[in-house]
Amino acid sequence: DVKVTQSSRYLVKRTGEKVFLECVQDMDHENMFWYRQDPGLGLRLIYFSYDVKMKEKGDIPEGYSVSREKKERFSLILESASTNQTSMYLCASTTLRLVPQETQYFGPGTRLLVL
Amino acid sequence: AQTVTQSQPEMSVQEAETVTLSCTYDTSESNYYLFWYKQPPSRQMILVIRQEAYKQQNATENRFSVNFQKAAKSFSLKISDSQLGDTAMYFCAFMKQGTTPRHFGAGTRLTVKP
Repeated sequence: DVKVTQSSRYLVKRTGEKVFLECVQDMDHENMFWYRQDPGLGLRLIYFSYDVKMKEKGDIPEGYSVSREKKERFSLILESASTNQTSMYLCASTTLRLVPQETQYFGPGTRLLVL
Repeated sequence: AQTVTQSQPEMSVQEAETVTLSCTYDTSESNYYLFWYKQPPSRQMILVIRQEAYKQQNATENRFSVNFQKAAKSFSLKISDSQLGDTAMYFCAFMKQGTTPRHFGAGTRLTVKP
């Protein structure tokens, strides 16, 4: 089974802090994604990566950055956390090598509270 | 632009009964995929069922089936013989073929009552 793990289930940070959210997948997937999930808004794409050291902006990249130094790890960085970044953050991955290719595998999520 | 609409924020159903969750989408594309994902309380989101737009036959996975109406741009999920473990948030998602998955509905919170 594909396993996608995230470093923390719950996180409490102060406004202005730099926050790192880590995601690791163990199935050699090429593609990795970061979403935020908010009530009434569903999932919104923040950033994604199709390969090591490659990154692309999603629909709401402002206030975030990402890093992908290794294929299995995709990090989301909040450069200076703000209260409007309080949310659930979901990581996901997919592979190009299997059919169906489009099915995403999600991590358990990190619920971030910024005070 | 593609949009996905789930018009039912919350639903409930009695155990063993059947429930249908609605989803509509808006697109001008002809090649795309539709998905239903399930997110149980405090657990990971998992794929329930997927449908390729070019397939006329509705997808089925055990107790889960879809009613895919391409002309109406409707993609509803039917859960038969509901079980307590079906209690979850359900998300409908759309993806144009060969692109990044980024279009999700707002979700429907389903509660199965004993």
